[in-house]
Amino acid sequence: GEDVEQSLFLSVREGDSSVINCTYTDSSSTYLYWYKQEPGAGLQLLTYIFSNMDMKQDQRLTVLLNKKDKHLSLRIADTQTGDSAIYFCAESMSGAGSYQLTFGKGTKLSVIP
Amino acid sequence: NAGVTQTPKFHILKIGQSMTLQCTQDMNHNYMYWYRQDPGMGLKLIYYSVGAGITDKGEVPNGYNVSRSTTEDFPLRLELAAPSQTSVYFCASSYSSPYSNQPQHFGDGTRLSIL
Repeated sequence: GEDVEQSLFLSVREGDSSVINCTYTDSSSTYLYWYKQEPGAGLQLLTYIFSNMDMKQDQRLTVLLNKKDKHLSLRIADTQTGDSAIYFCAESMSGAGSYQLTFGKGTKLSVIP
Repeated sequence: NAGVTQTPKFHILKIGQSMTLQCTQDMNHNYMYWYRQDPGMGLKLIYYSVGAGITDKGEVPNGYNVSRSTTEDFPLRLELAAPSQTSVYFCASSYSSPYSNQPQHFGDGTRLSIL
């Protein structure tokens, strides 16, 4: 089966860039997602990338995908206190597993004012 | 537009009791999901549904049951509550399958404690 790994904590100063990393194991074509969870709330999709892409940029967010190393990263430019949350990497597979997302354990981002 | 609504938000249940967690969505999504989130863990899929009348097991279905009589509603039932089912439960819905660029929309969760 597939597995998604993330570091558990990240702390950055307001205005700096944050980089949250994720590794996955499935090598078939796949969608990879970043979700954000604020305290007491459900998950909200931030961005996604398909496995035939290397990079995707959306305003302050940049997603980089290294298919050879099965490594995904989310960069948040000019990090703000409102970015403090838990960020989940998730993977969806084609074929038999296509009804399920596999989530990492989440990275808790703390932004220091 | 309410999105995905879960009730209750909090509940304490005694061991062996039963209860139903409610989930409803107003986006006319065919796909609906139930996840549990344990502390420091990612989400685990309990059950999912691809449309009214169709449900299937996810990764951790034991101890739970679901039904999908309408497009809008996807209740989750715990029949004989056990302490291991203490968790935060999230319901989600999506326009199409997870293998797509369509997001899953999440409710705010039900925090369930079993004592």
